[in-house]
Amino acid sequence: KNQVEQSPQSLIILEGKNCTLQCNYTVSPFSNLRWYKQDTGRGPVSLTIMTFSENTKSNGRYTATLDADTKQSSLHITASQLSDSASYICVVSAKGTDKLIFGTGTRLQVFP
Amino acid sequence: NAGVMQNPRHLVRRRGQEARLRCSPMKGHSHVYWYRQLPEEGLKFMVYLQKENIIDESGMPKERFSAEFPKEGPSILRIQQVVRGDSAAYFCASSQQGSKNTGELFFGEGSRLTVL
Repeated sequence: KNQVEQSPQSLIILEGKNCTLQCNYTVSPFSNLRWYKQDTGRGPVSLTIMTFSENTKSNGRYTATLDADTKQSSLHITASQLSDSASYICVVSAKGTDKLIFGTGTRLQVFP
Repeated sequence: NAGVMQNPRHLVRRRGQEARLRCSPMKGHSHVYWYRQLPEEGLKFMVYLQKENIIDESGMPKERFSAEFPKEGPSILRIQQVVRGDSAAYFCASSQQGSKNTGELFFGEGSRLTVL
């Protein structure tokens, strides 16, 4: 069964600190992996999209990594800001399909 | 260039009533997806449409739910005879080329349905 698991479920960090969120998936055959940021009460916003051949992709203070062999991805946030408080969702697409499989997200809270 | 527009943002219905949720995709986008999000849960795929066609409705409940994307006008997600379990946030997303390969998906702000 195609699944996407994220950890931790929730995370609290202090402003300025770094953090890493994890995503494991069992989707096969793999096409691409996306990270989205969802603020409370808002729609998800894309951070990165990575294909099989990409190991690392950055978007400002966000850096995503992908290990297609172990089927793991991580999202690293550098020098966190209060505005980073949100849910971060890992989404995986299987090859040949338009259907995206969503993880349940990691809820990040950044405190001053 | 306006983003994906959903309305209403909030909708309250009594059990047995009908709910209609509308989604206008980004300009130039012909692919529309609907997702449902229950509190504290991830987004669940419901249906994928291109203009006038339903491509994949494998996530739609078999009864009471329907979706359309007419040649003119917004996509509509219709829920008939709503029940309390239909209370959720319904998100629409659009893309230019479909999410196959690396087609970028742009989400609306969602429509929050509350069934009393």
